[in-house]
Amino acid sequence: GQQVMQIPQYQHVQEGEDFTTYCNSSTTLSNIQWYKQRPGGHPVFLIQLVKSGEVKKQKRLTFQFGEAKKNSSLHITATQTTDVGTYFCAYNAGNMLTFGGGTRLMVKP
Amino acid sequence: NAGVTQTPKFQVLKTGQSMTLQCAQDMNHEYMSWYRQDPGMGLRLIHYSVGAGITDQGEVPNGYNVSRSTTEDFPLRLLSAAPSQTSVYFCASSRDFATGELFFGEGSRLTVL
Repeated sequence: GQQVMQIPQYQHVQEGEDFTTYCNSSTTLSNIQWYKQRPGGHPVFLIQLVKSGEVKKQKRLTFQFGEAKKNSSLHITATQTTDVGTYFCAYNAGNMLTFGGGTRLMVKP
Repeated sequence: NAGVTQTPKFQVLKTGQSMTLQCAQDMNHEYMSWYRQDPGMGLRLIHYSVGAGITDQGEVPNGYNVSRSTTEDFPLRLLSAAPSQTSVYFCASSRDFATGELFFGEGSRLTVL
């Protein structure tokens, strides 16, 4: 069945460095969502991408949806300690929202 | 505005016991769902509901029951707890499935001994 792979699983960065997480699917996705979960917290919605090639920005965060709608990325410019957490992509499969395995970001001050 | 409220926040059970995790939302959302999250893993869908009176199975439904008698409430029942059900459980809702954004509760941490 449809499945997304999220890479990397973990990423350590020095504060100020950039960070990117990728979500790759073997099949075309109708849309992709991104969530952030702080340590000990609950997932919080960041954004939804629907259109092929779509790019959206939220301050230092840039989200992309691939032209073939099979992959997506989240890029953080100049990471801060407040960016620490796990970032999940998620996609609709029928009436279900299925999550990728997540990328855990750790930021060294 | 409370959003999605889950109770209890923590629970310890013995193998074979049953219990219900409560979930209530005050946003008049049609869509509600339950996920479990295990260490180092993503979120796996247990059950979901697209409206009152309608429920369906997700990826990992075995050992769990749900009901949706009202729009606001979506309880998750563990019928006979097993150590494999030790996990953090999240309830989530959205206005309807098409709108996308899921609002999550703060989670319920369950330990089964």
